Amino acid sequence: AQRVTQPEKLLSVFKGAPVELKCNYSYSGSPELFWYVQYSRQRLQLLLRHISRESIKGFTADLNKGETSFHLKKPFAQEEDSAMYYCALRNTGGFKTIFGAGTRLFVKA
Amino acid sequence: ETGVTQSPTHLIKTRGQQVTLRCSSQSGHNTVSWYQQALGQGPQFIFQYYREEENGRGNFPPRFSGLQFPNYSSELNVNALELDDSALYLCASGGEGTSTDTQYFGPGTRLTVL
Repeated sequence: AQRVTQPEKLLSVFKGAPVELKCNYSYSGSPELFWYVQYSRQRLQLLLRHISRESIKGFTADLNKGETSFHLKKPFAQEEDSAMYYCALRNTGGFKTIFGAGTRLFVKA
Repeated sequence: ETGVTQSPTHLIKTRGQQVTLRCSSQSGHNTVSWYQQALGQGPQFIFQYYREEENGRGNFPPRFSGLQFPNYSSELNVNALELDDSALYLCASGGEGTSTDTQYFGPGTRLTVL
């Protein structure tokens, strides 16, 4: 079954601390993995995708096919990073995106 | 800010009624996907339309149906509303619907079924 699991509903860290939002997936083929972010009172937007292998707003995510994980990391959290983060998987055909339940990140001053 | 808009913003219906939600995609976007997001959950894929035809569907019953029009607008129709249909409904538009295609989300329509 195709599934995306985000084990933490809430993650609270202090400003300047490292942050890691966990994501594990289950998929039989070669999916495309994404992280989406939703800031307060804003719409859901793409943060980054594994195929781009880029850093956005200081965040990076590495696809680990052996562990079927796609954890999101940032070495030094900022208060403006506080938001809801969703890990998502898109099937090879490109017509279906499966989202995890989301992790709310709260960065304390 | 993207050009994806949705209407209405909020809607209240009673069980058994029918509802139509609307989405206006960015010009040039050939795909539109619809999602249902229940409280505390991530978005759940309902279906995707590409060039006015449904080309993929999630685990939703046939009473969830859609239309896509040549002017980049689309509709989600839900018949025989049930209490569990209460949710935020999101549409997302994109290019050619490939696996690397970027989806641009609308702000959503909050549906409450009483």
